[in-house]
Amino acid sequence: DAGVTQSPTHLIKTRGQQVTLRCSPISGHKSVSWYQQVLGQGPQFIFQYYEKEERGRGNFPDRFSARQFPNYSSELNVNALLLGDSALYLCASSLQLAGYGYTFGSGTRLTVV
Amino acid sequence: RKEVEQDPGPFNVPEGATVAFNCTYSNSASQSFFWYRQDCRKEPKLLMSVYSSGNEDGRFTAQLNRASQYISLLIRDSKLSDSATYLCVARKDSGGSNYKLTFGKGTLLTVNP
Repeated sequence: DAGVTQSPTHLIKTRGQQVTLRCSPISGHKSVSWYQQVLGQGPQFIFQYYEKEERGRGNFPDRFSARQFPNYSSELNVNALLLGDSALYLCASSLQLAGYGYTFGSGTRLTVV
Repeated sequence: RKEVEQDPGPFNVPEGATVAFNCTYSNSASQSFFWYRQDCRKEPKLLMSVYSSGNEDGRFTAQLNRASQYISLLIRDSKLSDSATYLCVARKDSGGSNYKLTFGKGTLLTVNP
């Protein structure tokens, strides 16, 4: 079975641009969460979606938005990119909302120049 | 004060050593706890859940003390392959809301031959 897949794996963007990151959860998993990990820190929660509804949002500005599709895949959008948005963006899926541990994808490494 | 705090590390130990990781959490509403490991430039992977009764998985033992809001991970007979960053994670299971994972900063372990 395929694990959590994220695309693209690497991305370089310029300040002020917009970016869309994609995530496909493990088949059958209904919950998708997004995390941002900057170098030297643990991942920080951005969003959680379950059954296509937003169930939680972390302490991130409105430039960050996300959605979940009927097939449970998800997109994370970031507008007006700042240098500080450079990070590894991780998607995690779980079977239920409060799953036993979450499985992470390998992430999208975003560099803003 | 950060919600989850870990030993800053890094730890450098010889093969065969016993290593202990310590973690404290500040949110008494946190209900589930995990240890994840993260290899360099890879995604976090669930190592084990942590229970008040303590739990063991081979060379790894995890312990939770709810009264002191303290979590530990013990690795016995460390191997070169144990070299990674160990992330302490708390989750507040907020009954119908979101179930975000709150990560510590991580502690880097290097096991030397």
